[in-house]
Amino acid sequence: NAGVTQTPKFQVLKTGQSMTLQCAQDMNHNSMYWYRQDPGMGLRLIYYSASEGTTDKGEVPNGYNVSRLNKREFSLRLESAAPSQTSVYFCASSEAGTSASSYEQYFGPGTRLTVT
Amino acid sequence: QKEVEQDPGPLSVPEGAIVSLNCTYSNSAFQYFMWYRQYSRKGPELLMYTYSSGNKEDGRFTAQVDKSSKYISLFIRDSQPSDSATYLCAMKEWYRDDKIIFGKGTRLHILP
Repeated sequence: NAGVTQTPKFQVLKTGQSMTLQCAQDMNHNSMYWYRQDPGMGLRLIYYSASEGTTDKGEVPNGYNVSRLNKREFSLRLESAAPSQTSVYFCASSEAGTSASSYEQYFGPGTRLTVT
Repeated sequence: QKEVEQDPGPLSVPEGAIVSLNCTYSNSAFQYFMWYRQYSRKGPELLMYTYSSGNKEDGRFTAQVDKSSKYISLFIRDSQPSDSATYLCAMKEWYRDDKIIFGKGTRLHILP
């Protein structure tokens, strides 16, 4: 049982390049999330997916796209990377809706992205 | 006013001391209050949660919520060097899985 996995762990991009961050969970959770974490800013939600086939914008969606490929996988794409997207990206999953345990999010190990 | 305020620290205390970490919030609709611990270069992991007001104890950790003051606390008793981490408070409304608001985190150092 691996929990939430993310690839890659590290990435350096040049301005204007594109890339996709991959995330997968094996806990059969409905909800999945993408966050970015910057010094002094805390965790900020980029996109959220309540179930397969649905996605919603979070607090900072500009410059990103997402795809909920199936129940397990949720990818984040940067179409044209900018230095302002240098950050640590975390994927998370949780049970959804009325479950009392939906408050708990399980996080992946993160992807450290640098855009030069 | 930000929805959740948390002092970023760093907070340095000697081993064995009692640690108090706090957050204030402005949204009176928050009902779930969580504390996550994040070790360096790792993802956050849930440490404790509390629903509505009151105290909850788990070993050396106690979570406290005062909804009238919009103030939550995490107490760590008999602190250990292994408690050195960043602690993030988080809050959500009932049924709002799309809106979990995190504090910026407090960096804690326990000095041996």
